Amino acid sequence: DADVTQTPRNRITKTGKRIMLECSQTKGHDRMYWYRQDPGLGLRLIYYSFDVKDINKGEISDGYSVSRQAQAKFSLSLESAIPNQTALYFCATSDPTSGRDEQFFGPGTRLTVL
Amino acid sequence: GESVGLHLPTLSVQEGDNSIINCAYSNSASDYFIWYKQESGKGPQFIIDIRSNMDKRQGQRVTVLLNKTVKHLSLQIAATQPGDSAVYFCAERGDSGGSNYKLTFGKGTLLTVNP
Repeated sequence: DADVTQTPRNRITKTGKRIMLECSQTKGHDRMYWYRQDPGLGLRLIYYSFDVKDINKGEISDGYSVSRQAQAKFSLSLESAIPNQTALYFCATSDPTSGRDEQFFGPGTRLTVL
Repeated sequence: GESVGLHLPTLSVQEGDNSIINCAYSNSASDYFIWYKQESGKGPQFIIDIRSNMDKRQGQRVTVLLNKTVKHLSLQIAATQPGDSAVYFCAERGDSGGSNYKLTFGKGTLLTVNP
């Protein structure tokens, strides 16, 4: 969905490096999410934010941190990257006022930690 | 803990056949379910949703069936086309505290359509 963008799309880094993944949305949604996807494990929630002042841990938040700079921006940081954080990362948004919890996903960031 | 899972990790069908993708869920309190399609190199895209007060919902070429008695969800795709080849995920919405809900995703089924 072009309304949710992620940068970079691909990143290769080394163990111990600090990495930031950016997500921007033009949908005007209050809720934003970060997921990681690994083969055979589906999508797992890292962090989520229901508004600018709200940050919540998901099921696999260890080793990650987030920042909600504005309604439109939600960034994910790996303070000291490790190889098992190699995965596909997706940002998503949703609008609770719509009466549905459909989440709109960005195109993903493929992260490789060597 | 609560989980969402799929019976078949892969499904291969002939073009024009109907496809059925299944999903089992364990949270009896889940009130809303979504099916997503993920094509290679892309993020998941919404296909169809259903609320727990419904048994069936139809879209264009797709039908979702919900059986709350056995906690089972299925996605039926009619006249499957090569463009339907993708990974399909089910997701359930459960209460994560107060009025805040979040989705839990299944592991996905890879659908391959043979021409």
